[in-house]
Formats: sequence, C-alpha cells, structure tokens
Amino acid sequence: DVKVTQSSRYLVKRTGEKVFLECVQDMDHENMFWYRQDPGLGLRLIYFSYDVKMKEKGDIPEGYSVSREKKERFSLILESASTNQTSMYLCASSSPGQGAFTYEQYFGPGTRLTVT
Amino acid sequence: GQNIDQPTEMTATEGAIVQINCTYQTSGFNGLFWYQQHAGEAPTFLSYNVLDGLEEKGRFSSFLSRSKGYSYLLLKELQMKDSASYLCALNTGFQKLVFGTGTRLLVSP
Repeated sequence: DVKVTQSSRYLVKRTGEKVFLECVQDMDHENMFWYRQDPGLGLRLIYFSYDVKMKEKGDIPEGYSVSREKKERFSLILESASTNQTSMYLCASSSPGQGAFTYEQYFGPGTRLTVT
Repeated sequence: GQNIDQPTEMTATEGAIVQINCTYQTSGFNGLFWYQQHAGEAPTFLSYNVLDGLEEKGRFSSFLSRSKGYSYLLLKELQMKDSASYLCALNTGFQKLVFGTGTRLLVSP
C-alpha cells in the first residue's frame, strides 16, 4: 500500500520566516511533486522531480525552491514566507510512465500552512 | 496553455446517476485523469483515459472525446459516501498534470 507522508498537517509561520515542508514516500517512486491547492483555483504544480538531485519548475515556482537529496524525500522550501503563500500544500509521488501512458499520482494528506 | 472547465457544484440524490463534465482547450495532451477528494483528505485516483471512449470501473465510468474537447465522469447508484470533490486533470506530458478547479458533489438522502 503506497504511503506518502507529510511532516505536518497544520503549520503557522510568520512573514519572512524560512519554511520547510517535508514529504516522504515509501514506494520507491522516481517522480515526486509539490502542489498547492486554493479555493477556486484548484491544484497547481509548484515543482517536481524525476530523480534524486533533479528538479523541474512547475506552473507557479516563484517564491519556492525544492530539494531532493534522497529518492524517498522531497522538500519544499519557502525562502521568505509571505501571506500570499497561505495555502494547502500537497505532495505526490508516482512511478515513471512511457509515452502517453502514465501511472497515477499518490497524494499525501496535505499541510495547511498559514503565514501571518 | 490549457484551460479546463468543470461545474463548481452539483447535487444529486442517493441511488441516482450523476454525470460530471470536464471541458478543456489545449494544444495537446497525453490523457485525462479523474480524482476524488473528500473534504480534508488527499485526492485519490479514479480513472485515466488515453483513448476516446468509455472506461467502466464498477459504479464509476469515465468518457473521453478528444475531437469534442470534453470528458465526463459518470457515477451510478449514488451513495452518501460519494459526496466529495471530483477533479479532472490533463496529462500534458512528462507526468505533468494540469488540474481543473474541481466539482463538489453533494449527495442527499
């Protein structure tokens, strides 16, 4: 049974703080993703990674960075948190696909981050 | 870019059938996913359509028409536990997904 865990369910940080969100998966998946989910905007891709030490920008990477030092762990970093980064953050992982075929992404429970 | 439209909210009665539509404009995509998300929980996979046509999985079916730019999720014999948000997402390549804003389905007794 695939399990994706995130370090915190709820987090409150102050403006300007450096914030680390951690994600760990136990299925040896190559691909990992970070999304944020906001009412009326849906899930939006921030960054993703195909392999250790690899990262690719998603649709909204501004204000974020990522780190993938080990295959099972993918961290999202907010260098200087701002109030507009208050959101639900979801991590996901998947096996690699081939061509049009792709495996489903498995999501973690999410971290609700509030920046005050 | 991609533009994906879903109705914001739908209501239905237990035991009924409901169809949730997803229309899109895109320059190209590999396939279309449907996910279910209960309030406060993670999205979970329902279906993936690559080819045109209907894919059936128990009470849930998903349909894709590339020429018409739309997909739908059909839920039969609705149960209270089907109250959730339903997200459609385009696979735009290299495992990248672009999600619609989701449809919240409320099932009443």
